[in-house]
Amino acid sequence: GQQLNQSPQSMFIQEGEDVSMNCTSSSIFNTWLWYKQDPGEGPVLLIALYKAGELTSNGRLTAQFGITRKDSFLNISASIPSDVGIYFCAGQLFYGGSQGNLIFGKGTKLSVKP
Amino acid sequence: NAGVTQTPKFRVLKTGQSMTLLCAQDMNHEYMYWYRQDPGMGLRLIHYSVGEGTTAKGEVPDGYNVSRLKKQNFLLGLESAAPSQTSVYFCASSYGVRMSLLNTGELFFGEGSRLTVL
Repeated sequence: GQQLNQSPQSMFIQEGEDVSMNCTSSSIFNTWLWYKQDPGEGPVLLIALYKAGELTSNGRLTAQFGITRKDSFLNISASIPSDVGIYFCAGQLFYGGSQGNLIFGKGTKLSVKP
Repeated sequence: NAGVTQTPKFRVLKTGQSMTLLCAQDMNHEYMYWYRQDPGMGLRLIHYSVGEGTTAKGEVPDGYNVSRLKKQNFLLGLESAAPSQTSVYFCASSYGVRMSLLNTGELFFGEGSRLTVL
């Protein structure tokens, strides 16, 4: 089946640093979504992307839908402690008026540098 | 403003026991899903439903059954629990149809149910 490769698997952040993570796929999607999961909670949508090349921001977060429709990246600028958590990318293919199932990456875990 | 509610939040089972996880959503969503989350594995789709009375298999359906008798509820059953089913289970729901650019197939997740099978 379809798989998403999300990297890095984990990273440590220091307050104020910029953070980047990305997802690549072997097949195309027409929607890319980025979710964040806080400890003990379910994932919550951060950013949704619908068009190849689209660049969308949500506060300090910026995400882009790759031109090839097979990749996406998420940047977090000037990180703060509450940014820690697990970030998931997800790809989706719409056909007709219905949605295909979301395919999730395995997540990028952000932790604070000791 | 409940959204997606899962019960129970925690459960410990012995191998071979059965149990049912209940998911309820109050957003009138057509689609509902059950995922499991394991360390390093991300979210894997177990079963899903595109409407009342319908169910379909996802990526990892073996050992689970589901039912969608009412639009707002989606039940996940384990008939004979195994230690490999120790996991955190998430229910999610979505509109299922892209109504506009402002509305996607975005999934709304519950808070999760942590299941341990001894």
